[in-house]
Amino acid sequence: GDSVTQMEGPVTLSEEAFLTINCTYTATGYPSLFWYVQYPGEGLQLLLKATKADDKGSNKGFEATYRKETTSFHLEKGSVQVSDSAVYFCALSGPDDYKLSFGAGTTVTVRA
Amino acid sequence: NAGVMQNPRHLVRRRGQEARLRCSPMKGHSHVYWYRQLPEEGLKFMVYLQKENIIDESGMPKERFSAEFPKEGPSILRIQQVVRGDSAAYFCASSPTLQSSYNEQFFGPGTRLTVL
Repeated sequence: GDSVTQMEGPVTLSEEAFLTINCTYTATGYPSLFWYVQYPGEGLQLLLKATKADDKGSNKGFEATYRKETTSFHLEKGSVQVSDSAVYFCALSGPDDYKLSFGAGTTVTVRA
Repeated sequence: NAGVMQNPRHLVRRRGQEARLRCSPMKGHSHVYWYRQLPEEGLKFMVYLQKENIIDESGMPKERFSAEFPKEGPSILRIQQVVRGDSAAYFCASSPTLQSSYNEQFFGPGTRLTVL
């Protein structure tokens, strides 16, 4: 079945550092790929998405590119802020499928 | 605009008791999804409901678990005779309509169930 593997945390960074969270997937066909973020005490929010190969999703300074050849969707941000401290989840859904499959989540802490 | 509401946020039960988890979708949303996150794992799909209908319960354990989304009121996930292995975070999500290829589901903050 479909699955997502993402980089284990926790990750601790200083402000303005570069952030990368690796995500790879296994799926049949051409899934849609997502990054969700969960801030403390809140629900998961969609951060960005990509629906086909070579698409780049971007939002709030974060980017991720759908790489079919490496089955990856790594999340990057060039300069993190303390407010980026959260848990980040990589997820996928199959074509015409409402079920989301999630990675285990990566906890990111940014120190001032 | 209130988001997806879940209550309680934390629930403690002893083995053998019942757990009831509630989810109020966003206003105007008629589709509800439940996911479970076991420790050190990603969220796993459990069930998809529309008003008064269970559409897909392929991720639900066959016994002790049930879900409903009545015409009025919140969606309920019910776990009977809880066991320690049921300890997890349970997330509810809602969406306004079923969309293929791009499926934005809006999530609640989750209910953390602890079974003693």
